[in-house]
Amino acid sequence: QSALTQPASVSGSPGQSITISCTGASSDVGSYKLVSWYQQHPGKAPKLMIYEVSKRPSGVSNRFSGSKSGNTASLTISGLQAEDEANYYCCSFAGSSTSVVFGGGTKLTVL
Amino acid sequence: EVQLVQSGAEVKKPGESLKISCKASGYSFTTYWIGWVRQMPGKGLEWMGIISPGNSDTRYSPSFQGQVTISADKSIRTAHLQWSSLKASDSAMYYCARRFSGSHHHGDFDYWGQGTLVTVSS
Repeated sequence: QSALTQPASVSGSPGQSITISCTGASSDVGSYKLVSWYQQHPGKAPKLMIYEVSKRPSGVSNRFSGSKSGNTASLTISGLQAEDEANYYCCSFAGSSTSVVFGGGTKLTVL
Repeated sequence: EVQLVQSGAEVKKPGESLKISCKASGYSFTTYWIGWVRQMPGKGLEWMGIISPGNSDTRYSPSFQGQVTISADKSIRTAHLQWSSLKASDSAMYYCARRFSGSHHHGDFDYWGQGTLVTVSS
C-alpha cells in the first residue's frame, strides 16, 4: 500500500486555525471511517490526537478536530498555541488487519 | 500508571542478529495488542506489525513480513522485536505501543514506549 499524502509543512499564528490534509485512496481513507491523527514533538513518541476520523481520546484538547470527505481526511487545530508546534501524521486502515498506512507527516510551525 | 519501557540503544554490524524489548506495566498485559512502529532518521512513521500477548496472534505489514519477528512473553509482560540478520537499512528508531481499546483499528495506539534506536553500521 502507498503512504497517504500530506503537505510537508503548514504554519499559523497563535490564536489562528489551521487545517492539515491527508489524501489517500478509495482503498483506504475513502472506504473506512478509520482515520487517526498523531502529534509528535521532536525526540518524543507520537501521541494519538484523533481516532475514527473525528473522535478525541480522553485528555486531548477540543481545539483538535477531524473530518473526512471522500479520499481526504483533515485535522483542524483551532486557537493555535506555541505547544502545538510539532509533526503531525495521519493513519488509515487499508482493508485488512495487516494493512495500516501512515501519511508522510506535516510539520506545523507556530509563527 | 500504564508504562511501556523499551530496551536501550543498540549498535550492531550488518549480518548480526538483534532482539529488542518492550516491558509493560500498569495494566493487564494480555488484554491489549502491542504494536511496533519504525521511524527512520528524519522520516515518517511505518506500521510494522502487532501481537496479541494473550494468544500470540501476530499480524505483519507486508513490508515487514519475513524481515522481522514479533513475539511476546506473558510471564515477564514483555514484547519483543527481532532480526536474524540486520542490514544498514534497518537503522531507525523503533517504538512499541499499546493498541487503543476504544477503536476498531490496529493503527490506533494510546500508550507508547520511549523508542529504541538501532544503528547498523560496519
